[in-house]
Amino acid sequence: GQQVMQIPQYQHVQEGEDFTTYCNSSTTLSNIQWYKQRPGGHPVFLIQLVKSGEVKKQKRLTFQFGEAKKNSSLHITATQTTDVGTYFCAGGLIGSSNTGKLIFGQGTTLQVKP
Amino acid sequence: DAGVTQSPTHLIKTRGQQVTLRCSPKSGHDTVSWYQQALGQGPQFIFQYYEEEERQRGNFPDRFSGHQFPNYSSELNVNALLLGDSALYLCASSGGPRGAYEQYFGPGTRLTVT
Repeated sequence: GQQVMQIPQYQHVQEGEDFTTYCNSSTTLSNIQWYKQRPGGHPVFLIQLVKSGEVKKQKRLTFQFGEAKKNSSLHITATQTTDVGTYFCAGGLIGSSNTGKLIFGQGTTLQVKP
Repeated sequence: DAGVTQSPTHLIKTRGQQVTLRCSPKSGHDTVSWYQQALGQGPQFIFQYYEEEERQRGNFPDRFSGHQFPNYSSELNVNALLLGDSALYLCASSGGPRGAYEQYFGPGTRLTVT
């Protein structure tokens, strides 16, 4: 079945260091979404990428969607303690039956040492 | 503007019992998706409801069933509970039936099966 793999599983960084998480799909995606989940919380939507090769920025966060629409990355510049949480990518599937089913990766948990 | 609400917040059931979880979507949203999130994992898609019909289903057995009401609220029913059904059950609403829309997640229902 369709799978979305995400690496690394965990990342510990010193405050001010950069952070990157990578997402790879076994199949071509129609779109990719990124979510952040704080400990004890629920996933919160960050962004959606739709176009091949698309790059979007939100302040210190940069999101990329691969040319083949099978991989994506999230890069955080100069991490802050408020960035702590688990970051999930979620792939939207192509096809006439695509009605919003998202395949989530396992997530990357970011810890930031002050 | 009320976000996605879910009830109850926590639930403890015994193996073999049945459970019903409830979700009210964000105002203006007409599509509800249900996800199961095991500890340390990404959310797994259970199914999605639109116009009171199940539009898409993930790899979950028939013990998992749902319903959507005319006011767009939804229920998730799980029969013959197993220990492995212990998880956080998340409801997410979106503004349309297709995969291009971001998902707004509720706080979840923590189900423990003993």
